[in-house]
Amino acid sequence: DVKVTQSSRYLVKRTGEKVFLECVQDMDHENMFWYRQDPGLGLRLIYFSYDVKMKEKGDIPEGYSVSREKKERFSLILESASTNQTSMYLCASVSLLYEQYFGPGTRLTVT
Amino acid sequence: QQQVKQSPQSLIVQKGGIPIINCAYENTAFDYFPWYQQFPGKGPALLIAIRPDVSEKKEGRFTISFNKSAKQFSLHIMDSQPGDSATYFCAASKSQGAQKLVFGQGTRLTINP
Repeated sequence: DVKVTQSSRYLVKRTGEKVFLECVQDMDHENMFWYRQDPGLGLRLIYFSYDVKMKEKGDIPEGYSVSREKKERFSLILESASTNQTSMYLCASVSLLYEQYFGPGTRLTVT
Repeated sequence: QQQVKQSPQSLIVQKGGIPIINCAYENTAFDYFPWYQQFPGKGPALLIAIRPDVSEKKEGRFTISFNKSAKQFSLHIMDSQPGDSATYFCAASKSQGAQKLVFGQGTRLTINP
């Protein structure tokens, strides 16, 4: 079974803090994604990576950056957290058959 | 053109009924249409997926119907059970490139006993 793990299930941070969300997959997938999930808006793509050190902006990249130094690990960085970044953050990796496997999510609250 | 529109937002069905969730897309380049199921506190999990070369796909009690000319696809759950209560997302993507999924807004399904 594919396993995608995320570093924290719940996180509370203060406005202005730098926040790191980590995601690790164990299937040697090349493509990895970061989404945020908000009620009524579905899942929106923040950033994705198609190889080590390769990244592309998704639909809502503002206020975020990413890092992929190793194939199995994809990190999402909030440079200066703001209250409008309070959300559920989901990481996914993609198989060669286009199946996206999601992690359990990190519920981030910025106060 | 990148949107996927999903309806209804919420749905309540009695046990044994057949809930139907609909999605519509605009981009004719999309050629992969998965459905995801998400339980509270969990990430979405792939439920079933279809490609445009077939009009229907069944896996257990779950069926996707696909209408290429109308650019619509739907999820049917046969003999629904309370354990099917979850949020369901449709999505679409192109096979080429990074396989970015475009998600619908989600449907919160409740199956009453």
